[in-house]
Amino acid sequence: NAGVTQTPKFQVLKTGQSMTLQCAQDMNHEYMSWYRQDPGMGLRLIHYSVGAGITDQGEVPNGYNVSRSTTEDFPLRLLSAAPSQTSVYFCASSLRSPTSGDTQYFGPGTRLTVL
Amino acid sequence: AQSVTQPDIHITVSEGASLELRCNYSYGATPYLFWYVQSPGQGLQLLLKYFSGDTLVQGIKGFEAEFKRSQSSFNLRKPSVHWSDAAEYFCAVGLTGANNLFFGTGTRLTVIP
Repeated sequence: NAGVTQTPKFQVLKTGQSMTLQCAQDMNHEYMSWYRQDPGMGLRLIHYSVGAGITDQGEVPNGYNVSRSTTEDFPLRLLSAAPSQTSVYFCASSLRSPTSGDTQYFGPGTRLTVL
Repeated sequence: AQSVTQPDIHITVSEGASLELRCNYSYGATPYLFWYVQSPGQGLQLLLKYFSGDTLVQGIKGFEAEFKRSQSSFNLRKPSVHWSDAAEYFCAVGLTGANNLFFGTGTRLTVIP
């Protein structure tokens, strides 16, 4: 299986543009999440989902939307990009919540630059 | 405030030398503890985790970590570092009943010949 895949790998946007970062997993994991990684700040949780149709906010949800219509896919939408959203975005999945003991698998990341 | 602290931003060690990366947390209860590694341009990979029981945890790639409740620490160790261990290492914490992890700011490891 492919694990956790993310597209695109790189993206440059202008301020105010919208886009969707794609994330898919083929491991039948219920739990999926989006993090952003900024220098000196580690990873911060944006949104997460514990199953199809269920999403919730993390630490830094403002400016981002998510939906989970299928178990496999968990897209992250930027409705109106801002330079503060320049970051590396990681999608992750696990069978259940990472605090349940299940290993969390990370995608390779999407590097986003907002001009 | 609740937090995860990795006090060392960057560590340089010689190949074959021992390694210890520090992680401290500040939470009311004993959290679940994790160490992840991120190679350049890659996503994160789980090295090891502590949930309960034996406080010395063995992980992949020859790493181990020790949970010390009295010091609120979960330091990562390796007795002999290889050049391929050069990467960034993240400590993470999860709380009982929560659905997410909190990550430290990371420690970048450089290995010199």
